[in-house]
Amino acid sequence: DAKTTQPNSMESNEEEPVHLPCNHSTISGTDYIHWYRQLPSQGPEYVIHGLTSNVNNRMASLAIAEDRKSSTLILHRATLRDAAVYYCILRDPTYVGSARQLTFGSGTQLTVLP
Amino acid sequence: NAGVTQTPKFQVLKTGQSMTLQCAQDMNHNSMYWYRQDPGMGLRLIYYSASEGTTDKGEVPNGYNVSRLNKREFSLRLESAAPSQTSVYFCASSGKGPRGSGNTIYFGEGSWLTVV
Repeated sequence: DAKTTQPNSMESNEEEPVHLPCNHSTISGTDYIHWYRQLPSQGPEYVIHGLTSNVNNRMASLAIAEDRKSSTLILHRATLRDAAVYYCILRDPTYVGSARQLTFGSGTQLTVLP
Repeated sequence: NAGVTQTPKFQVLKTGQSMTLQCAQDMNHNSMYWYRQDPGMGLRLIYYSASEGTTDKGEVPNGYNVSRLNKREFSLRLESAAPSQTSVYFCASSGKGPRGSGNTIYFGEGSWLTVV
């Protein structure tokens, strides 16, 4: 099964960029890389996803390695509201509903320091 | 746009009692899921339903049953609650989005369940 590996925790200063890494060495060719985050006492929310090319949206940027075995979620200017657990998971749209595609690890706890 | 709605938000049960967590989504998604999250841990999949009329076990199905009532609704039932089932439960759904969407998952706000 394709799995992801993330650091347990990271710290950042407010208004500085944050780079959250994720390793997925067994990724398959059809797996999309998804990032979700979970704020305290809330359900996870979608942040960004990509397949091969780097992606940007209003929340973050996703940098994907050329061999796709790793990726980095980039928050350009961290705010206190960005303190959350960030999950990196792999999703294959051709396996809708497959339990293999729905595993969330422990994620990375991001602490933002004022 | 409500997204994924789950009820109740909080519940205290006595050991051996039964209860049903309700979940509904208004995004016309085919797939729905139930997760549990224990303190300080990640999400673990209990059951999922790839489409109306089908359900499958996830990572931790023991002690639970599910019903995919229709396309919108997916309920989780605890037949005889145990203290080990004290957790936060999240319902989620996903479906075909725009090309390249990669099948994004949308989560409810969670149901805090305590079994005493």
